[in-house]
Amino acid sequence: QLVLTQSPSASASLGASVKLTCTLSSGHSVYAIAWHQQQPEKGPRYLMRLNSDGSHTKGDGIPDRFSGSSSGAERYLTISSLQSEDEADYYCQTWGTGIQVFGGGTKVTVL
Amino acid sequence: EVQLLESGGDLVQPGGSLRLSCAASGFTFSSYAMTWVRQAPGKGLEWVSEISSGGSIFYTDSVKGRFTISRDNSKNTLYLQMNSLRAEDTAVYYCARELPSSVTVDRGAFDIWGQGTMVTVSS
Repeated sequence: QLVLTQSPSASASLGASVKLTCTLSSGHSVYAIAWHQQQPEKGPRYLMRLNSDGSHTKGDGIPDRFSGSSSGAERYLTISSLQSEDEADYYCQTWGTGIQVFGGGTKVTVL
Repeated sequence: EVQLLESGGDLVQPGGSLRLSCAASGFTFSSYAMTWVRQAPGKGLEWVSEISSGGSIFYTDSVKGRFTISRDNSKNTLYLQMNSLRAEDTAVYYCARELPSSVTVDRGAFDIWGQGTMVTVSS
């Protein structure tokens, strides 16, 4: 079964970095994923597609502060130089035959 | 500008029906797979249904037999017909465009999102 697992919360200080993790279920370690940001009271925004080799393609206008990497079944989103507007929920998403899957989301708090 | 605009959300009684629309602009609508995603109040994102550029259709289990996705490429519009609505269908419904994974696979990451439309199922 295709499942994505995310930690519920993360926090870091203004100007620091935070690294979020999205873990693919067993047998799906080669799957690509996407990262999405949802700021409070707004709709989701596509950040990037992230492949198993760590290569990634960002959406239009996404700052360089956002980067992606991969290791085995884990997919990471690193936000550098945290800004107040980065306080949001972050979701990973992947796709299989006849199905789309979201992780439960990680709420990022900027201290 | 690439844009998706949902409409049709409303307050409806349990067992009722509703049709959502998603108007697309700024891209060749017929070339893309499209999807519906919902978000219940205070909850995470949940995929609902998808229609490929070629018309292949998929649903999440909880809406099979009740919801129908369709598209009208001549009108650049995606639809979601929702029947037999339940309280647990209450959510903001978003449409999204799918970024092709490869030359031969038109499914993939959701790269363009609409602003959402609210569906409330309550008596």
